[in-house]
Amino acid sequence: EAGVAQSPRYKIIEKRQSVAFWCNPISGHATLYWYQQILGQGPKLLIQFQNNGVVDDSQLPKDRFSAERLKGVDSTLKIQPAKLEDSAVYLCASSLGPEGPLSYEQYFGPGTRLTVT
Amino acid sequence: QKEVEQNSGPLSVPEGAIASLNCTYSDRGSQSFFWYRQYSGKSPELIMSIYSNGDKEDGRFTAQLNKASQYVSLLIRDSQPSDSATYLCAVNIQYNFNKFYFGSGTKLNVKP
Repeated sequence: EAGVAQSPRYKIIEKRQSVAFWCNPISGHATLYWYQQILGQGPKLLIQFQNNGVVDDSQLPKDRFSAERLKGVDSTLKIQPAKLEDSAVYLCASSLGPEGPLSYEQYFGPGTRLTVT
Repeated sequence: QKEVEQNSGPLSVPEGAIASLNCTYSDRGSQSFFWYRQYSGKSPELIMSIYSNGDKEDGRFTAQLNKASQYVSLLIRDSQPSDSATYLCAVNIQYNFNKFYFGSGTKLNVKP
């Protein structure tokens, strides 16, 4: 079974530029998550999708971040314009969802390391 | 108050010893609990999930949950140098839009 795919793996941009990340979840997983992980900290949930609907985006800085999950499969996360403090690893995860004992077990992709200069 | 608290460590144990990692959470509505292992420069990897009070064993790993005291722990028996990593505790609060919170992790060093 293929895991969660993410691209690109690394990205370096200047502040005020825009950037987009792509995620393809494990086949059959209804729930998709985007996390931001700053060095030395645990992952912080940015947005959670159930199929193509947003379940929780309370910690997404909506003035600069946006995300979509078209057709309930792939997802993109965009930052526009980027700030220095956006430098972090952006992790995508997926889980079976929405009900049942294994619904919330999340599997992570390799992440995208973003450096904003 | 953070939703999930972990001692950042590092926790150092000799090879073959038992490593004990602890996590406390603040929301009594938390229903699902997870331990992830994260090697430096890698993404988190699910080790254990636990949903009810008591112990759950999987190989060298045992997760313990005590909802009354609001803590969850992970025991690693016969620790190996390859277990050296950061261990992240995560909780899921299903009544609150299935929110997920991760702790900041405990760094474990297993010395040969």
